[in-house]
Amino acid sequence: QVQLVQSGAEVKKPGASVKVSCKASGYTFTGYYMHWVRQAPGQGLEWMGWINPNSGGTNYAQKFQGRVTMTRDTSISTAYMELSRLRSDDTAVYYCARADIVLIGTGMDVWGQGTTVTVSS
Amino acid sequence: EIVLTQSPGTLSLSPGERATLSCRASQSVSSSYLAWYQQKPGQAPRLLIYGASSRATGIPDRFSGSGSGTDFTLTISRLEPEDFAVYYCQQYGSSPGITFGQGTRLEIK
Repeated sequence: QVQLVQSGAEVKKPGASVKVSCKASGYTFTGYYMHWVRQAPGQGLEWMGWINPNSGGTNYAQKFQGRVTMTRDTSISTAYMELSRLRSDDTAVYYCARADIVLIGTGMDVWGQGTTVTVSS
Repeated sequence: EIVLTQSPGTLSLSPGERATLSCRASQSVSSSYLAWYQQKPGQAPRLLIYGASSRATGIPDRFSGSGSGTDFTLTISRLEPEDFAVYYCQQYGSSPGITFGQGTRLEIK
């Protein structure tokens, strides 16, 4: 079955970096954008950016430009999101979600289970 | 950046009733690029509607979407107990990218 499995929870100190992985299975990894969306405690959804696993091209939300790096390893169907210079307000659940590259606008139809990142001194 | 404003913030209804959720955009959104998601506590969001009115795979037909331009609506025709959750609209624009509304909480009255 189609699924995205994310890496486990992380606890980081302010100023550090975190790298979250998202392993895809059950579909052609290079046929779908991988988006990253985060959700702070008790808050709404915030889009961070996407990576095109086929080309490696990325598109980051302006808020995160300069701090976020999205990469992929097609050999193991895994996407990565690295966020640097962490602050306490980066504490959130981070989700990966796929969206069709060809059928633009068909939404994020499969989501990972989420990875909790806690930033605390 | 396109800002999506959802209303009401909280909607209190009983099972069996009809729910109408609104999503208003700060500028025109292509209907092709408006989606709705449902999120329950402790779970990832679930795609309900894409292209403003197309149901995602496996979504019951009591869920429907409509609208165009700057005004979009998610309607749940007859609420089931499992429908009480938070709902988000989302738009996909060419630049700078994707934005979500702040969410509508649908609670049991």
